Amino acid sequence: SQQGEEDPQALSIQEGENATMNCSYKTSINNLQWYRQNSGRGLVHLILIRSNEREKHSGRLRVTLDTSKKSSSLLITASRAADTASYFCATDASGGSNYKLTFGKGTLLTVNP
Amino acid sequence: DGGITQSPKYLFRKEGQNVTLSCEQNLNHDAMYWYRQDPGQGLRLIYYSQIVNDFQKGDIAEGYSVSREKKESFPLTVTSAQKNPTAFYLCASSMGGTSYEQYFGPGTRLTVT
Repeated sequence: SQQGEEDPQALSIQEGENATMNCSYKTSINNLQWYRQNSGRGLVHLILIRSNEREKHSGRLRVTLDTSKKSSSLLITASRAADTASYFCATDASGGSNYKLTFGKGTLLTVNP
Repeated sequence: DGGITQSPKYLFRKEGQNVTLSCEQNLNHDAMYWYRQDPGQGLRLIYYSQIVNDFQKGDIAEGYSVSREKKESFPLTVTSAQKNPTAFYLCASSMGGTSYEQYFGPGTRLTVT
C-alpha cells in the first residue's frame, strides 16, 4: 500500500499565486523527500526533511513536517508557469529498509500564465 | 557531464519477448534503483542495489530481473513473465540510503503489444 498520499490530486492556479500541496503517510519515518516531475521526464529532487525537523526552506519552496499528524506540506510561493509539473512526496519507514522510498501518486500542479 | 542515463527513450516489443533496459551513472553512487510508473500513478520500486554484486527485491519484483556487476551499471530485464509490462521505467542512484536524495534518469517508455 502507498505510504505517502498527496492532496489535492490536481491544483490549478494563476502565475504569482502560492501553491500548497499536502502529503500524509501511515507509519513513522526517518526522512521525507519531495520531488518534481515534468511530463514524461525523470524526477528532480526538491527538498529532504528529517523526522526531527519541522520546517525547511529552499528558494521559493517551504516544506513543513508534522510527525504527530504524519503529514507534510510543500508550499511554492510566487508561482511561475515553469512550476507546472507533478509533485511527489516520498517516505522511508522507520525500522524498515534504509534504502526503500515509497512514493505517493502525486499532485499535478498547473500554473496558468 | 555527471549524471544518470537510460537508453533507449522509447522501446517497443512483442509479447513474449524479454527486453533489457539500460541504466548507467557516472556519479560514483553506491546505490541504484529501478522504479515503474503507470499513468497517473506514483513510482513503485522494482529492485534496488546498495552496492556492487548485491541487489534486493522491491515491492513489485515479479517478472523482472537485474544485475549489478559494475558500480556504474544496473540493467533491468523485463521478462515474458511480467503480466503487464507496458509502463514508464525510471532508474535512479544515490550516495546511500533514504537520508540521501535520489538522482533520476530520463526514463524509458516500454510498450509491449
